[in-house]
Amino acid sequence: KAGVTQTPRYLIKTRGQQVTLSCSPISGHRSVSWYQQTPGQGLQFLFEYFSETQRNKGNFPGRFSGRQFSNSRSEMNVSTLELGDSALYLCASSLIPGDNEQFFGPGTRLTVL
Amino acid sequence: AQKITQTQPGMFVQEKEAVTLDCTYDTSDQSYGLFWYKQPSSGEMIFLIYQGSYDEQNATEGRYSLNFQKARKSANLVISASQLGDSAMYFCAMRVSGEAAGNNRKLIWGLGTSLAVNP
Repeated sequence: KAGVTQTPRYLIKTRGQQVTLSCSPISGHRSVSWYQQTPGQGLQFLFEYFSETQRNKGNFPGRFSGRQFSNSRSEMNVSTLELGDSALYLCASSLIPGDNEQFFGPGTRLTVL
Repeated sequence: AQKITQTQPGMFVQEKEAVTLDCTYDTSDQSYGLFWYKQPSSGEMIFLIYQGSYDEQNATEGRYSLNFQKARKSANLVISASQLGDSAMYFCAMRVSGEAAGNNRKLIWGLGTSLAVNP
């Protein structure tokens, strides 16, 4: 069974640009969560999607958005990039929301110059 | 405030020895869950073990056990018989109930402990 895949693995952007990250959950998993990981702040929850609906959202500005498609694949978008957006963005999937075990992807390393 | 504290930025252990990674938490919720994850240098988070706040027995998963002391609000991870492959970052996380129905995915994370296993 394939694990959670995230593309691209690495990305370099400049301030003011926008970026779209993709996450494909494990087959059969319908819940996808996104996290931002930085050395100073650790992991912070961005949002969670289930059945194409955002169920939960963390404390991030509106520049951060996401969506989920009917095949459970999810994308997150960051507009007007800032230097502070440089981070590892992790996606996690589970069968349904509330599952104790989430399976994480390898992450997308975003660098904003 | 809901918070996870991991006070050990880095730990060293000899191969085959046991090691305890500390985690304390703060929440006013009665129902919560505590998790430990491992993050190797490859970046992905690997789920290790889970303890529910109402579970009376300490959780165990193979070489991992969670020393849950509710009154002290601590949830330390014990790794027995350390292996070289255990070298990684270890994160403690807490799931708390949200205010809205279904708002149950928010995980609060500690800053992690870097574990190095020496041969």
